[in-house]
Amino acid sequence: QSVLTQPPSASGTPGQRVTISCSGSSSNIGSNTVNWYQQLPGTAPKLLIYSNNQRPSGVPDRFSGSKSGTSASLAISGLQSEDEADYYCAAWDDSLNAVVFGGGTKLTVL
Amino acid sequence: QVQLQESGPGLVKPSETLSLTCAVSGYSISSGYYWGWIRQPPGKGLEWIGSIYHSGSTYYNPSLKSRVTISVDTSKNQFSLKLSSVTAADTAVYYCASRIAAAGRGGFDYWGQGTLVTVSS
Repeated sequence: QSVLTQPPSASGTPGQRVTISCSGSSSNIGSNTVNWYQQLPGTAPKLLIYSNNQRPSGVPDRFSGSKSGTSASLAISGLQSEDEADYYCAAWDDSLNAVVFGGGTKLTVL
Repeated sequence: QVQLQESGPGLVKPSETLSLTCAVSGYSISSGYYWGWIRQPPGKGLEWIGSIYHSGSTYYNPSLKSRVTISVDTSKNQFSLKLSSVTAADTAVYYCASRIAAAGRGGFDYWGQGTLVTVSS
């Protein structure tokens, strides 16, 4: 059981906009920033969004993040086949003094 | 460019200690914000194990804290993970990772490729 809650799966067709949610609590998302990671099949995770809505250099602006209260969302616009991957949200938890991850969302591009 | 590379035994016996090293190239381990370990059991999600900060402070996953030690060897530009009293539940791909630039609190912007460790007799 993960501390952060994500839907196990999401899907969309090429060109569509897809959003993935991440729900937490006051001790994690409610009081700290959220990071998002993309894990392509068979590879290491890659930082996709940090501090709720910032993109590291090289990440396309098709990817965006937002946060409201104790929830966060990752949006992918202009969906492409290469976006098919697992996506994880993460945040620091002040009660646990630990990094907590969501269970991951498997995105399928139909 | 910054590269992280995990190394260590791919097979560990139950009750023994899992030991992994992460060699850092292209960057001084004396710099950076923190260095950490994350694992992923086969077919499952990511689990943070712990991190060691530039100050030397360490933070560990509460569920693993009693069995985990993370340390840094600046002379070799590497950091290490030790996980004691392992069981089959510790079988996973182990990633080393770091925050060197911007990554948000607790975030990791550089990752190793991962190494599979199997716990079995």
